[in-house]
Amino acid sequence: DQQVKQNSPSLSVQEGRISILNCDYTNSMFDYFLWYKKYPAEGPTFLISISSIKDKNEDGRFTVFLNKSAKHLSLHIVPSQPGDSAVYVCAARYTGNQFYFGTGTSLTVIP
Amino acid sequence: DGGITQSPKYLFRKEGQNVTLSCEQNLNHDAMYWYRQDPGQGLRLIYYSQIVNDFQKGDIAEGYSVSREKKESFPLTVTSAQKNPTAFYLCASKVGSGGNEQFFGPGTRLTVL
Repeated sequence: DQQVKQNSPSLSVQEGRISILNCDYTNSMFDYFLWYKKYPAEGPTFLISISSIKDKNEDGRFTVFLNKSAKHLSLHIVPSQPGDSAVYVCAARYTGNQFYFGTGTSLTVIP
Repeated sequence: DGGITQSPKYLFRKEGQNVTLSCEQNLNHDAMYWYRQDPGQGLRLIYYSQIVNDFQKGDIAEGYSVSREKKESFPLTVTSAQKNPTAFYLCASKVGSGGNEQFFGPGTRLTVL
């Protein structure tokens, strides 16, 4: 039973445009959400996070939006750069200690 | 230079043999985790430990065992009871119950022949 879902396996965006990656979850008890950047056969690298009590968090070109009523979060990358090409993994924290992960969305930024 | 190390990067074993994967961290983190990644699936939790000498089963603990004798180390043993051991294994750590982010090691690719 997948509690965190990323329904788009891949996304292609032109350099300079906005990339929007989406994530849905089912458990209303999740209290913290994170985005990781991942390359094949490597460990994920933390990118940005948001508490469940907020609806937006921004860090440079990266912004995460949380819609609790829809159980949906998204990651916006503006402007997209070729170096952003990677797999982006959404994660959610439960009870402070357990994390659940989505399957990832592979982003390709076309120069 | 703080971080999490996993060794080796690639590991091959014959079917029926137990194998232990190493995970060491020098971040002074209390919590440590083991995940498994299979193609097309998200990371799945095998075991986690919040403090030394204590650990809890995750969603897919069957066929695995762990120990946490030191704060810095959280080795994972893949036993012969694990029916599909070939996978990419990731170790992670976190500050503690108040910490928000997990930090991951580079991973170990285990292939059982």
